[in-house]
Amino acid sequence: RKEVEQDPGPFNVPEGATVAFNCTYSNSASQSFFWYRQDCRKEPKLLMSVYSSGNEDGRFTAQLNRASQYISLLIRDSKLSDSATYLCVVNRGYQKVTFGTGTKLQVIP
Amino acid sequence: EAGVTQFPSHSVIEKGQTVTLRCDPISGHDNLYWYRRVMGKEIKFLLHFVKESKQDESGMPNNRFLAERTGGTYSTLKVQPAELEDSGVYFCASSQENSGANVLTFGAGSRLTVL
Repeated sequence: RKEVEQDPGPFNVPEGATVAFNCTYSNSASQSFFWYRQDCRKEPKLLMSVYSSGNEDGRFTAQLNRASQYISLLIRDSKLSDSATYLCVVNRGYQKVTFGTGTKLQVIP
Repeated sequence: EAGVTQFPSHSVIEKGQTVTLRCDPISGHDNLYWYRRVMGKEIKFLLHFVKESKQDESGMPNNRFLAERTGGTYSTLKVQPAELEDSGVYFCASSQENSGANVLTFGAGSRLTVL
């Protein structure tokens, strides 16, 4: 089993739709969690950190469920500019960071 | 603040040749990481420097790969001799020491094509 698993997609959604991605992790000792965004042929960029209490940044909401070992990302009112690959990133501590394969989102007009 | 810079952005070489990739981390970031993404696969960890010391090099695929970080500033990743399966995008990232959330800032990547 992979340490971090994501559905690769692609998720094709119309503008204005709400879309949710999940990511599961296998190591229960994992300490911190992030969503990164990667545009085609570009570097990954931090989208948001994920906290147990859940956190929201505009149209983006991230949640962490430690009991079930998954994190989620919800995007409301999708924009064309949201089209990208969303990477789930898990830090196991001692700065051991593992990436998921990424979930591709395509927002269509 | 200057970000993480990588050079070259793209390198095309023949099998058996040598390539050296360079990464300049954000000034003051003690932690420097190399990652690689080959076509269709996830980004995989190669190694981690803390200042000039190799903290973890468990992801280095084989002894054809050599990473250095002289003086704890920039880092180089040399592939010698290059093989076809080395093709991919090599990302460098840096983070501050004692950053509990360990947020990584990535460079734009160096795309390596081995023919």
